[in-house]
Amino acid sequence: DAKTTQPTSMDCAEGRAANLPCNHSTISGNEYVYWYRQIHSQGPQYIIHGLKNNETNEMASLIITEDRKSSTLILPHATLRDTAVYYCIVRVTGANSKLTFGKGITLSVRP
Amino acid sequence: GAVVSQHPSWVICKSGTSVKIECRSLDFQATTMFWYRQFPKQSLMLMATSNEGSKATYEQGVEKDKFLINHASLTLSTLTVTSAHPEDSSFYICSARRASGGPHEQFFGPGTRLTVL
Repeated sequence: DAKTTQPTSMDCAEGRAANLPCNHSTISGNEYVYWYRQIHSQGPQYIIHGLKNNETNEMASLIITEDRKSSTLILPHATLRDTAVYYCIVRVTGANSKLTFGKGITLSVRP
Repeated sequence: GAVVSQHPSWVICKSGTSVKIECRSLDFQATTMFWYRQFPKQSLMLMATSNEGSKATYEQGVEKDKFLINHASLTLSTLTVTSAHPEDSSFYICSARRASGGPHEQFFGPGTRLTVL
């Protein structure tokens, strides 16, 4: 699977939008972009995924550049409970395809 | 959403003993389950992939005789850490992929913290 690079950490103020960037310059045409997050001492939680088009769900929005070499996860109104490590992962589809986690980005939401 | 449970949530054992961790998909059937390990301040590392009724596939560097995985049914997978040693102390997380869904539908358990004294 293609590798991703993310900043180590970022913070944002509660109530403001959090924009988390991810670079995946070697992504292949059949690889999806996934975002998961892990709150301290818990299992990862699925947030969103996309292939080419921008996606939105009740948790977040995913903006993928036209060349697909980078993406941004947007939490529109961050709360203190959004403080977590956020992982951007690219993966091919297929029955035995794997989610390989990188280091992720630590988002700290401040009051 | 789909729920994956793990039992126990934490366990402390003596060096040399074996520990079994259960992973259950509570409201769906999972053809594929994954086991991860996470050391403090590090990311999740995939240990193995298991399909119901067949042998697990281990990642490079993971000892299959030490980490025994059994995926006996579509809702249960177990990880047994045999002859545990302090270096096996870690956070073990399982993940299940829904049988009826696509590869996008992969859900994680809450994790099991293993401490080996």
